[in-house]
Amino acid sequence: GAVVSQHPSWVICKSGTSVKIECRSLDFQATTMFWYRQFPKQSLMLMATSNEGSKATYEQGVEKDKFLINHASLTLSTLTVTSAHPEDSSFYICSATEGGEGNEQFFGPGTRLTVL
Amino acid sequence: GQQLNQSPQSMFIQEGEDVSMNCTSSSIFNTWLWYKQDPGEGPVLLIALYKAGELTSNGRLTAQFGITRKDSFLNISASIPSDVGIYFCAGQLLTQGGSEKLVFGKGTKLTVNP
Repeated sequence: GAVVSQHPSWVICKSGTSVKIECRSLDFQATTMFWYRQFPKQSLMLMATSNEGSKATYEQGVEKDKFLINHASLTLSTLTVTSAHPEDSSFYICSATEGGEGNEQFFGPGTRLTVL
Repeated sequence: GQQLNQSPQSMFIQEGEDVSMNCTSSSIFNTWLWYKQDPGEGPVLLIALYKAGELTSNGRLTAQFGITRKDSFLNISASIPSDVGIYFCAGQLLTQGGSEKLVFGKGTKLTVNP
């Protein structure tokens, strides 16, 4: 099956700093990538949808200036958490799809962010 | 917005027992999916349902898409210790922008006692 990787797998940072998380599709071209956030013992919540070469579409309540998404190529999307605060600590998961109707979303292994 | 109500929230069973969990929604979804998530990892797709009323099996797993496209159940037969994890239902729908987004249920945490 298709493989999606994330880097780093975990990161600890100080409050006020910015953190970049990478999501890569390893063996397919991802026209669309999704970013989710999952708090402990809770479900995955979609943050934004990004299509290669265009601006991301953010879900209601997600600040686009705080969570910067760049989908510069068909195999890479990045999520930058700017000026991170402890409440941003969460498990961030990306998924990727080749696009088109009915295409499966392949999920990455997630990135655990802890903001001190 | 769309919400999926998943139950039960958690289950504790003995190895060899059958398990059933379900999801309901007030919204209609094009596709219904069941995922399993192990601790510290991303979810893995178990079964995808595309047609109303569809009944699909994947090994010991069986899932059905409700006739109204508003509900689904997942059954696991003869559970084994490696079935431990959190199971999520997810509904897929088409956004105005043309992409397909997933709405997840709150999950069912399964514990299997050997």
